[in-house]
Amino acid sequence: EDKVVQSPLSLVVHEGDTVTLNCSYEVTNFRSLLWYKQEKKAPTFLFMLTSSGIEKKSGRLSSILDKKELSSILNITATQTGDSAIYLCAAGYALNFGKGTSLLVTP
Amino acid sequence: EAQVTQNPRYLITVTGKKLTVTCSQNMNHEYMSWYRQDPGLGLRQIYYSMNVEVTDKGDVPEGYKVSRKEKRNFPLILESPSPNQTSLYFCASSFRDRGITEAFFGQGTRLTVV
Repeated sequence: EDKVVQSPLSLVVHEGDTVTLNCSYEVTNFRSLLWYKQEKKAPTFLFMLTSSGIEKKSGRLSSILDKKELSSILNITATQTGDSAIYLCAAGYALNFGKGTSLLVTP
Repeated sequence: EAQVTQNPRYLITVTGKKLTVTCSQNMNHEYMSWYRQDPGLGLRQIYYSMNVEVTDKGDVPEGYKVSRKEKRNFPLILESPSPNQTSLYFCASSFRDRGITEAFFGQGTRLTVV
């Protein structure tokens, strides 16, 4: 059974801090790992990672995959209150999601 | 515009009254899936489909049915809804060329069963 585990489950930081969110996976036939951001609506796509060691970057967000460790991290630098959301990670044949990390950025 | 459309967006119903939540995508995606989202439990997969006439159970299929008779539609059927099926439901679709690529989500259906 495919499994995706995210940590931490919840995080509160001050504006300007840098955060690192973790995602580990145990899936058969790994092809890709996806990151999503969810505010009070449907998840929106952030990154898709397929190759180990290659960083994907979008503004203050970046992500990298480590196939040896079966994990990925999502970094957010210089956090803003608008980064407050649930961050979801997914992997596996049928796209299994972790429980998400709830990030709250305080002013 | 490429999109996944779910209907209805909100639904309040009574225990035992059959209901269907529709999901339609216009991107010719092979993969479609239903998830439910409950506080602290993340997105849990109910059923998924890799192509027409091919459906498989996810992690929480009990009490739900699906069908995939056409590529664009993937309805979720609750034959006899119960209060524990009160949840936020999402439909998603994606290409599956050499694995699932970016999945697009519908806007969600908030279901309350009383």
